[in-house]
Amino acid sequence: DAGITQSPRHKVTETGTPVTLRCHQTENHRYMYWYRQDPGHGLRLIHYSYGVKDTDKGEVSDGYSVSRSKTEDFLLTLESATSSQTSVYFCAISGSAPPHYEQYFGPGTRLTVT
Amino acid sequence: AQTVTQSQPEMSVQEAETVTLSCTYDTSESNYYLFWYKQPPSRQMILVIRQEAYKQQNATENRFSVNFQKAAKSFSLKISDSQLGDTAMYFCAFRAGNNRKLIWGLGTSLAVNP
Repeated sequence: DAGITQSPRHKVTETGTPVTLRCHQTENHRYMYWYRQDPGHGLRLIHYSYGVKDTDKGEVSDGYSVSRSKTEDFLLTLESATSSQTSVYFCAISGSAPPHYEQYFGPGTRLTVT
Repeated sequence: AQTVTQSQPEMSVQEAETVTLSCTYDTSESNYYLFWYKQPPSRQMILVIRQEAYKQQNATENRFSVNFQKAAKSFSLKISDSQLGDTAMYFCAFRAGNNRKLIWGLGTSLAVNP
């Protein structure tokens, strides 16, 4: 299994509070991704990173920001959490060339915004 | 724009039987990659099988095989000798060439019945 951890695994927070989710990898892969998964929508990309301090938006980036100061860590911040951001969040990693170009996923974080 | 369609939201199969999950995609790219991921009730996303578009031979991983029809833009997953542990959501995904983002289908929920 790819070495990817996410923290916290579960979180309940109140509307309007900031929340930061952490993804940590031990594979030294260049690419990292944040997705959210909601019933009926499958997996939707929030942001991704193609190197330290290099990030780009995905299809549902509004209300989210990311940072990557080290190869191994990719942080997702909900600047002011809303109930619509209640979801399961997945981090994924991929390498630069075969056989590492497919994405491998962390265990997910269930976030509930009340 | 590339799209991935999984036309079967839910399927069921008896233990030890064979089942085929459908996936079609739309792209104008000639170089691309296709993937099937499995998500069991544990929520972990697991890569099942990958197919490079330039390879004519269908990929196989133990009981899992694909039927890749490039002209028809079809990429179905066949599960042989179904086991209870195959009960999961299955996602089809597409990646074009050097693009690091995956395009996801909405998934097929497979139940393997004893």
